[in-house]
Amino acid sequence: GQQVMQIPQYQHVQEGEDFTTYCNSSTTLSNIQWYKQRPGGHPVFLIQLVKSGEVKKQKRLTFQFGEAKKNSSLHITATQTTDVGTYFCAGTTSGTYKYIFGTGTRLKVLA
Amino acid sequence: GAVVSQHPSRVICKSGTSVKIECRSLDFQATTMFWYRQFPKQSLMLMATSNEGSKATYEQGVEKDKFLINHASLTLSTLTVTSAHPEDSSFYICSARETGPDRLNEKLFFGSGTQLSVL
Repeated sequence: GQQVMQIPQYQHVQEGEDFTTYCNSSTTLSNIQWYKQRPGGHPVFLIQLVKSGEVKKQKRLTFQFGEAKKNSSLHITATQTTDVGTYFCAGTTSGTYKYIFGTGTRLKVLA
Repeated sequence: GAVVSQHPSRVICKSGTSVKIECRSLDFQATTMFWYRQFPKQSLMLMATSNEGSKATYEQGVEKDKFLINHASLTLSTLTVTSAHPEDSSFYICSARETGPDRLNEKLFFGSGTQLSVL
């Protein structure tokens, strides 16, 4: 079945450093979404990417969808302690409405 | 933003009992809701897709007789864990799909989750 992997699994950064998480799907996706889950909380929607090669920015966050629509990345510039949490990508394929979540990347930011 | 209410937030039950978890979309109609299971420090595993007015679609390996899903209205889906056992202890999260005229603006809104502990 469809698998969505993320690397790295964990990342510890010093506050102010950049951070990137990569998402790779075993199948071509129709769209991909990114979520953030704070410790003890539930996933919160960040963004959706639909087009091949699409790049979207939200303040310090940059999201990219690969040309083949099988991979995506989230880059955070100058991390802050509020960025702590687990970042999940979630992809769906055409013809289905279900989203398969990636394995997640847990980010810790050291002040 | 849209709100999805899930309750109870925490339940402790004895082995062999059944537990019902409710998921409500408060300010939008959700024809599709999803139920996920999450183990500590792991990802969300899709259990089933709940479709309003029809049978749920279960993922491979998920027992439909064990995890009963009902989606009787456009704002409510329920998950019943029947004859719960300690191995069913987990964090269960629902989500509701909010859609626009096409799939360009759809997003999932998540409930706050239910921590189930079976003794």
